[in-house]
Amino acid sequence: NAGVMQNPRHLVRRRGQEARLRCSPMKGHSHVYWYRQLPEEGLKFMVYLQKENIIDESGMPKERFSAEFPKEGPSILRIQQVVRGDSAAYFCASSPGLRTRPSHEQYFGPGTRLTVT
Amino acid sequence: GESVGLHLPTLSVQEGDNSIINCAYSNSASDYFIWYKQESGKGPQFIIDIRSNMDKRQGQRVTVLLNKTVKHLSLQIAATQPGDSAVYFCAERPPLASKLTFGTGTRLQVTL
Repeated sequence: NAGVMQNPRHLVRRRGQEARLRCSPMKGHSHVYWYRQLPEEGLKFMVYLQKENIIDESGMPKERFSAEFPKEGPSILRIQQVVRGDSAAYFCASSPGLRTRPSHEQYFGPGTRLTVT
Repeated sequence: GESVGLHLPTLSVQEGDNSIINCAYSNSASDYFIWYKQESGKGPQFIIDIRSNMDKRQGQRVTVLLNKTVKHLSLQIAATQPGDSAVYFCAERPPLASKLTFGTGTRLQVTL
């Protein structure tokens, strides 16, 4: 029973390039969350998605960042024109859905460590 | 604003002793509280959770206590082992929300 999968595990980009981070939720999970973690800090919520829908993007920067969770395939977090301040660990989590709202149990992937040079 | 914070950034415990990691939260309306363990280079691992209408919940070697009067959450680890060395985060789920709000973390160091 595979857990949450993220790739790549490490990503190096030069300033101005694009970064694409992928996340495959656990089998049977229909809710995906993206969090960002700076060194020695806690995780900060970015965005919450269900299949083909963005439910809550209150933690997403207004510019350069976007996320999607298509009907088929993994969820993608896309960062355009990366800057040094984007360097961080990006974690994806998934949860099963309940009838009215997702479960509070979120299971995290291993993360993608983005380094912008 | 809403925040979840921790009292101690680093906790050193001898192997075999019990560990207590504390967390203060500010949103009294949160309905779930969760503890995560994060080892170096890995994602957070779910340890145990507690619903807001409970004050204690036990798992395997771990106990979570919730004191709503003072908005305090704690994680107790019995007979701490070297494999328990990690950073521990508390998280809360605000009402009507799906996202989690994390604290800054406590590093647990287990000494032999």
